[in-house]
Amino acid sequence: DTGVSQDPRHKITKRGQNVTFRCDPISEHNRLYWYRQTLGQGPEFLTYFQNEAQLEKSRLLSDRFSAERPKGSFSTLEIQRTEQGDSAMYLCASSHPGPDSGANVLTFGAGSRLTVL
Amino acid sequence: AQSVTQLGSHVSVSEGALVLLRCNYSSSVPPYLFWYVQYPNQGLQLLLKYTSAATLVKGINGFEAEFKKSETSFHLTKPSAHMSDAAEYFCAVSAARVYSGGYNKLIFGAGTRLAVHP
Repeated sequence: DTGVSQDPRHKITKRGQNVTFRCDPISEHNRLYWYRQTLGQGPEFLTYFQNEAQLEKSRLLSDRFSAERPKGSFSTLEIQRTEQGDSAMYLCASSHPGPDSGANVLTFGAGSRLTVL
Repeated sequence: AQSVTQLGSHVSVSEGALVLLRCNYSSSVPPYLFWYVQYPNQGLQLLLKYTSAATLVKGINGFEAEFKKSETSFHLTKPSAHMSDAAEYFCAVSAARVYSGGYNKLIFGAGTRLAVHP
């Protein structure tokens, strides 16, 4: 169990550029989540994948954001035409399926910090 | 809808003193509640969770939390603070959908930053 890996850890970009973040979940976890955390706030849910299917998208995920999990393993989060308001920590988490989903523990990665200049 | 309120964005204690971090929740169904800790430049790490078994839940690093339905609270405590406890702490409630293939969507509070001074 190598944990949840995220890459890159830090990204500085200019407004209008596209950025992509990658998440490698724990191998036996079929559930994958993306959250966004801004300064002084708790993480906010962005989207959820079960295997390769994206089952929920938050209203926070504007049409400039797209997430994929093509083979049900790693996931990518792309932000097009970045804006300064996109500056945040993007967190990925994964969880193991279980009979009581509400009790499932999410294991988080260290996050990808985005700074848009 | 589920929500969490953490009272006090910053808490400062002396080393060896009691740590008390407050969390109140709102939930339309019996809640599942979690405490996570985040150290600088690291991801969130689970401290403990409440899933309707014992109301007093023990977690890692000497932390515990008590679920009080009448007060809609799930406060986190530790009898004696260590310097290494300095971090940000997040309370979360599960918004899991109760259906086959459900998943655990967590709703987090804004966090409490704990400072421990000598």
